[in-house]
Amino acid sequence: QKEVEQNSGPLSVPEGAIASLNCTYSDRGSQSFFWYRQYSGKSPELIMSIYSNGDKEDGRFTAQLNKASQYVSLLIRDSQPSDSATYLCAVRRATNFGNEKLTFGTGTRLTIIP
Amino acid sequence: DAGVIQSPRHEVTEMGQEVTLRCKPISGHDYLFWYRQTMMRGLELLIYFNNNVPIDDSGMPEDRFSAKMPNASFSTLKIQPSEPRDSAVYFCASSSGGFGYTFGSGTRLTVV
Repeated sequence: QKEVEQNSGPLSVPEGAIASLNCTYSDRGSQSFFWYRQYSGKSPELIMSIYSNGDKEDGRFTAQLNKASQYVSLLIRDSQPSDSATYLCAVRRATNFGNEKLTFGTGTRLTIIP
Repeated sequence: DAGVIQSPRHEVTEMGQEVTLRCKPISGHDYLFWYRQTMMRGLELLIYFNNNVPIDDSGMPEDRFSAKMPNASFSTLKIQPSEPRDSAVYFCASSSGGFGYTFGSGTRLTVV
């Protein structure tokens, strides 16, 4: 079982619709969760972080966390062609002080169709 | 701030040659990470440093890979000798702990 799992896609969503990206993780001790966006040929860019159960909203983005189900999701409302990218889920384990390692999923490729 | 700076952006080398990748983290960040990204395996952590000290190098593939951080503003990742299977994009990232990372632009390495 992979530590962080994502559906590789591609996920195609019409412009203006809601894109829903999902991620599951295996370590119940994980405490910090992040979503990165990566455009083709570019580096990953942090777009959302979430640390407690529930929803966190930032503009058109909403991150959702359910620790009991070991599930993290990212919703993108009013999807735009510029949202077309690969979205990476990353998880930080609860470890001793000083361990800052993030484990990444392999990413979901999202395409917004005009 | 100029962000995390990596050099070179692209490197093409012949099998068996030594390759050195360089990274300058964001000033004030005390964590530095080296990742490798391939289509097959995604982003893999190679090694990370805290306050210039290597904390976890369990992701370093083999003895051909080595990394150093002689001071807070500079790190290198060296591959000697290089092999075609080392071809990938190598990212450096830094953080101040507790938050997400900021990635550099990456070095695309091709070993022929």
